[in-house]
Amino acid sequence: GIQVEQSPPDLILQEGANSTLRCNFSDSVNNLQWFHQNPWGQLINLFYIPSGTKQNGRLSATTVATERYSLLYISSSQTTDSGVYFCAVNAGGTSYGKLTFGQGTILTVHP
Amino acid sequence: ETGVTQTPRHLVMGMTNKKSLKCEQHLGHNAMYWYKQSAKKPLELMFVYNFKEQTENNSVPSRFSPECPNSSHLFLHLHTLQPEDSALYLCASRSGELFFGEGSRLTVL
Repeated sequence: GIQVEQSPPDLILQEGANSTLRCNFSDSVNNLQWFHQNPWGQLINLFYIPSGTKQNGRLSATTVATERYSLLYISSSQTTDSGVYFCAVNAGGTSYGKLTFGQGTILTVHP
Repeated sequence: ETGVTQTPRHLVMGMTNKKSLKCEQHLGHNAMYWYKQSAKKPLELMFVYNFKEQTENNSVPSRFSPECPNSSHLFLHLHTLQPEDSALYLCASRSGELFFGEGSRLTVL
């Protein structure tokens, strides 16, 4: 099956700093999503981005499908950005197959 | 509010109990999923249902029994669980983009 690797595994920032999270995948994908898991366990959708670039406030994401990676940018980080960031991909041709998750990046933002 | 609702949010049960987790989605999706997340571990896919039919069972022990009566509802029936089954159980639905419920945190004593 498809392999998904995220880096770095852990990231500690001071409030206001910028950061880049990376997601590498081993095969062509037709779906890629970024999630933020907050301390209460809830998974929040950040981006649905099988290709191209999207921005939402302080967050943006870029997926280069031909090179099999995606990047999540967090600018001017805040303590509420702390949590685990997951990348998930689907390599099948349907809209209802399983998504494979990476191991996650644990982000801690200190005030 | 993601359109996927899970109940109960917290559940404590003994190893001899029988309980059920419920998931309901209001997004009109045809695919529903159960994921398990143990402490400090990534998400593990348990089951996938498409159009009410199970299309994936990721070698889940039989003490976990899923049920999908229609495309909007998904249950996970639990019986004779072990303490190591304590985890966050997440339901999701999808038609393209995947959306999660808030999770049911299960503790098995």
